[in-house]
Amino acid sequence: SAVISQKPSRDICQRGTSLTIQCQVDSQVTMMFWYRQQPGQSLTLIATANQGSEATYESGFVIDKFPISRPNLTFSTLTVSNMSPEDSSIYLCSVMPSGRNEQYFGPGTRLTVT
Amino acid sequence: QQQVKQSPQSLIVQKGGISIINCAYENTAFDYFPWYQQFPGKGPALLIAIRPDVSEKKEGRFTISFNKSAKQFSLHIMDSQPGDSATYFCAASPHKAAGNKLTFGGGTRVLVKP
Repeated sequence: SAVISQKPSRDICQRGTSLTIQCQVDSQVTMMFWYRQQPGQSLTLIATANQGSEATYESGFVIDKFPISRPNLTFSTLTVSNMSPEDSSIYLCSVMPSGRNEQYFGPGTRLTVT
Repeated sequence: QQQVKQSPQSLIVQKGGISIINCAYENTAFDYFPWYQQFPGKGPALLIAIRPDVSEKKEGRFTISFNKSAKQFSLHIMDSQPGDSATYFCAASPHKAAGNKLTFGGGTRVLVKP
């Protein structure tokens, strides 16, 4: 498996501001993913972030709202831009080690927008 | 369109009993079916996974049964313990060439009573 950390673990933000969430993994991985989990709900994929290429966004998610960076094989960031209360969720990154099918999740970032 | 349907939404079982969670999928391109366990405030943890070339996989007290023709798979937790109380998610993804994106079921909240 992989050891994944996320920063911050939680934050309370005002509407209209932006928050950047960091995801760090202890080994090099090709594929990283960002998910959103609204309170009491399942996980929804936001985008796939592969190093050296633009992130691929799922339907309903756009780059202007959720810009993603992937500067190397162990790190990625997700920014939640121009936040509204509807963005209050848990944001999770996951990684897929090279040559494997398994995805491993970070601990999540709990975001509350007031 | 929800591509993976999970039932029940919640489940209460006595200690020592069997917890059974069912999932059904529609997309015949899915060929990897993991189950995740999530405790409150934590990220999902990979529990067990199966490929469609086998009908059953067992790891300790956890067993996946897979029915390819019915497009259904289930998780059985034998000898359920209070520490198994968590939310369980089934998921499915297509083969690597299609991007390995996981589609999650809606989740089942399991409560094991002592």
